[in-house]
Amino acid sequence: EVQLVQSGAEVKKPGESLKISCKASGYTFNTYWIGWVRQRPGKGLEWMGVIYPGDSDTRYGPSFQGQVTISADSSITTAYLQWSSPKASDTAIYYCARGGDNNDWYFDFWGQGTLVTVSS
Amino acid sequence: EIVLTQSPDFQSVTPKEKVTITCRASQSIRSSLHWYQQKPGQSPKLVIKYASQSISGVPSRFRGSGSETEFTLTINGLEPEDVATYYCHHSRALPSFGGGTKVEIK
Repeated sequence: EVQLVQSGAEVKKPGESLKISCKASGYTFNTYWIGWVRQRPGKGLEWMGVIYPGDSDTRYGPSFQGQVTISADSSITTAYLQWSSPKASDTAIYYCARGGDNNDWYFDFWGQGTLVTVSS
Repeated sequence: EIVLTQSPDFQSVTPKEKVTITCRASQSIRSSLHWYQQKPGQSPKLVIKYASQSISGVPSRFRGSGSETEFTLTINGLEPEDVATYYCHHSRALPSFGGGTKVEIK
């Protein structure tokens, strides 16, 4: 059974570095893209980016390039999303999700979401 | 960047009524269009992939159609458990989501 289990809620002050995680199980981690999606309070879904753990190829959506870093550790089948200096506008729920078959970038399995609150 | 425009933003229907949601792409995305259902307080769930391909475990009343720039998600006979927001999503270069369509029971 494919499972994606995300780390718990975070509360940070602006500028405090932050890293959230997504532990994958039930499939061969290195052979599927895994990505991140943002959902601000009361708003829609935004595609942030993906990583292919097999070779660490990483792609970012235009709004997120340079704003966040996506990484993965194949030894522990875990993907990460990190900010060096989060802002209040980064307050949102962040979902990790597995890329679909054919090495595609739609998402067939999703994590439970991590609520990130950035507030002074 | 390809923009996806969903319509309507909101739909209120009676149980068993047919629901139709449209997603238009600003340029051709062939069949790389997927649909998700997000119930309140839950993670999104894939309900249709590649415009019209069914997903295991998703009721057969969910149907997708279309290609190139115009796509449709149809729910044939709305059930109370279908109350949710539905999003389209393309997986070509620089993927993006549509704005969402909230479906409620009248």
